[in-house]
Amino acid sequence: GNSVTQMEGPVTLSEEAFLTINCTYTATGYPSLFWYVQYPGEGLQLLLKATKADDKGSNKGFEATYRKETTSFHLEKGSVQVSDSAVYFCALSVPGQGGKLIFGQGTELSVKP
Amino acid sequence: AAGVIQSPRHLIKEKRETATLKCYPIPRHDTVYWYQQGPGQDPQFLISFYEKMQSDKGSIPDRFSAQQFSDYHSELNMSSLELGDSALYFCASSGGAGTRGTQYFGPGTRLTVL
Repeated sequence: GNSVTQMEGPVTLSEEAFLTINCTYTATGYPSLFWYVQYPGEGLQLLLKATKADDKGSNKGFEATYRKETTSFHLEKGSVQVSDSAVYFCALSVPGQGGKLIFGQGTELSVKP
Repeated sequence: AAGVIQSPRHLIKEKRETATLKCYPIPRHDTVYWYQQGPGQDPQFLISFYEKMQSDKGSIPDRFSAQQFSDYHSELNMSSLELGDSALYFCASSGGAGTRGTQYFGPGTRLTVL
C-alpha cells in the first residue's frame, strides 16, 4: 500500500543550524509529494510541494527535491530560526485515488536561541 | 485571502452523545476532505466529497456520517460518541484553477469526549 516514513523526532537544533528531515515513501504510480507544517495549537499549513520527479519545492527558505530513484522527499533549510519550531509532516497523494493525503508520523522540530 | 472555516473550534461532549462539525471551504473549491488527528498522531483520512457526492472513504466509523451541501459546505455527524473519538478534526478543501489538487486545511475542531 501507499505509505510515508519520516525520521523520528524530536529534533532539537540551535538557531542558524542546518536542518534536514528525512522522508521516504512507498506508492503505486507517480504520487505528488507535500510538506505541511503544524505550529502549536494550529492547523496544517502547506509548506511546499512537488508533483513530478526531480521537481524542487521551496518556500520560506525550506526546500525539498522529489527523488524518484530513492523514493525520497527530504526537507532542508540552511539556517533555522526559533520561529521554525513546529511539527513537520511529509505527505503524498496518488493520482486516481481521490486526492486524499497520506501522512507520515510527523517530526517535531525545536529550535533553541 | 479567504481560508477554510471550521466550526465550532472546540467541542466537549459526553459519551454516547452526538456531535456535528461544520466546514466551509475556500470559495470556488469543489472538493472537501475530512481528517482525524489523535493526540501525537498524524492526520488520518476519513471521507471526501466532490461536487456534493462522496468521492472516497477512509477509516471512518459507521457511527459517523457526512455530506456536502449545495453551497459546498460540509458537515460531519458523529453519533454514540466514544472516549476514543477525542481528537482534532480537520477539514481541507481543494479545487479551482491553479491549485492542481493542493489541499488547504482549516484550523480544526478539537473534540473532547468525557
